Amino acid sequence: EAGVVQSPRYKIIEKKQPVAFWCNPISGHNTLYWYLQNLGQGPELLIRYENEEAVDDSQLPKDRFSAERLKGVDSTLKIQPAELGDSAVYLCASSLGLADGEQFFGPGTRLTVL
Amino acid sequence: SQQGEEDPQALSIQEGENATMNCSYKTSINNLQWYRQNSGRGLVHLILIRSNEKEKHSGRLRVTLDTSKKSSSLLITASRAADTASYFCAVGRASGSRLTFGEGTQLTVNP
Repeated sequence: EAGVVQSPRYKIIEKKQPVAFWCNPISGHNTLYWYLQNLGQGPELLIRYENEEAVDDSQLPKDRFSAERLKGVDSTLKIQPAELGDSAVYLCASSLGLADGEQFFGPGTRLTVL
Repeated sequence: SQQGEEDPQALSIQEGENATMNCSYKTSINNLQWYRQNSGRGLVHLILIRSNEKEKHSGRLRVTLDTSKKSSSLLITASRAADTASYFCAVGRASGSRLTFGEGTQLTVNP
């Protein structure tokens, strides 16, 4: 069974440029998460989807970050414009959506903003 | 904050020794999970312990939970070089499925 797929794995852009990350969750997983992980830190939740509905986006900086999960499967996270401080690893995870369920993580996209 | 806080931040041991990592949190929880992350990779779920459980085992892993002290420990017995990774605890709230991760313990197992 395929795990959570993310692309690209690495992205280098200049500040003020837009960037987008894509995630394909495990088949059948209704819940999808986007996390940000800074070096030496644990993941921080940006947004959680239940099917196509964003149910927890309180930590998403909405002035520059946006996300969508059309049709409740794949998801895209966008930053526009990117800032130097956005350099981090962006992790996608999925789960069956149970209240205490295990989350399955993708390998992440490492973003470097120059 | 319900953020888990791991202790120690870094741990270096010899192969065959046991490794113990601790996690503390501040408010009531529904469950606590431990994850492992190898360098440059995503997180991998290790074990989940519910708030009404005190101890759980999975292979060489043993997790304890003391809700009165708001703390958990992860014990890896007979460690191997392949256990070298960062270990994170994550606390689950009483409602919903948000997990809040700690900053992790970097474990190095020397062959």
